Amino acid sequence: SAVISQKPSRDICQRGTSLTIQCQVDSQVTMMFWYRQQPGQSLTLIATANQGSEATYESGFVIDKFPISRPNLTFSTLTVSNMSPEDSSIYLCSVERRETGELFFGEGSRLTVL
Amino acid sequence: AQKITQTQPGMFVQEKEAVTLDCTYDTSDPSYGLFWYKQPSSGEMIFLIYQGSYDQQNATEGRYSLNFQKARKSANLVISASQLGDSAMYFCAMREASSGYSTLTFGKGTMLLVSP
Repeated sequence: SAVISQKPSRDICQRGTSLTIQCQVDSQVTMMFWYRQQPGQSLTLIATANQGSEATYESGFVIDKFPISRPNLTFSTLTVSNMSPEDSSIYLCSVERRETGELFFGEGSRLTVL
Repeated sequence: AQKITQTQPGMFVQEKEAVTLDCTYDTSDPSYGLFWYKQPSSGEMIFLIYQGSYDQQNATEGRYSLNFQKARKSANLVISASQLGDSAMYFCAMREASSGYSTLTFGKGTMLLVSP
């Protein structure tokens, strides 16, 4: 399986601040995906991040709120901007292993916004 | 309509017994893939097993097997010889060729509790 590292693993943030989550993969991947899991809920795709192009956002998610960077084929960041308590969630990045079609996730970043 | 339905919010099983977690899906796409993930309380999503829509045989990975019934659109996860460490949330997910094939739609999950 791909090794995916996320930082921070958890954080407690103040309302109105922004936090950047990092996702590092141990091999080059074309696409990286960012998901959100609100408390007690399932996962929802935020956006798809391709290297060298702007991220593609799903309905209900906008770049101003969740800016994404993808500077190279092994790294991506997701920023949660101007946070409110409703942003308290686990944020997970995901990559695909092309040879098998399997999709792997990082350990997740658990954000609590006060 | 929901694309992935997991009808069991919670399941209980005794250690060493087998358990089946239900998953039904809805798609008109002939090409799709079905996944099962385990999420312990730590929050990470652990990949368990994958079944492609064209795979003729049911997928197996160690103690995990996927009971794939294409006509019924069901992809139930069977865990044999349950262990205490299997206690976690389990999510069924699907990807479809029509949605780019690399993004997943998740069910609401089933919480499995394994008792001694």
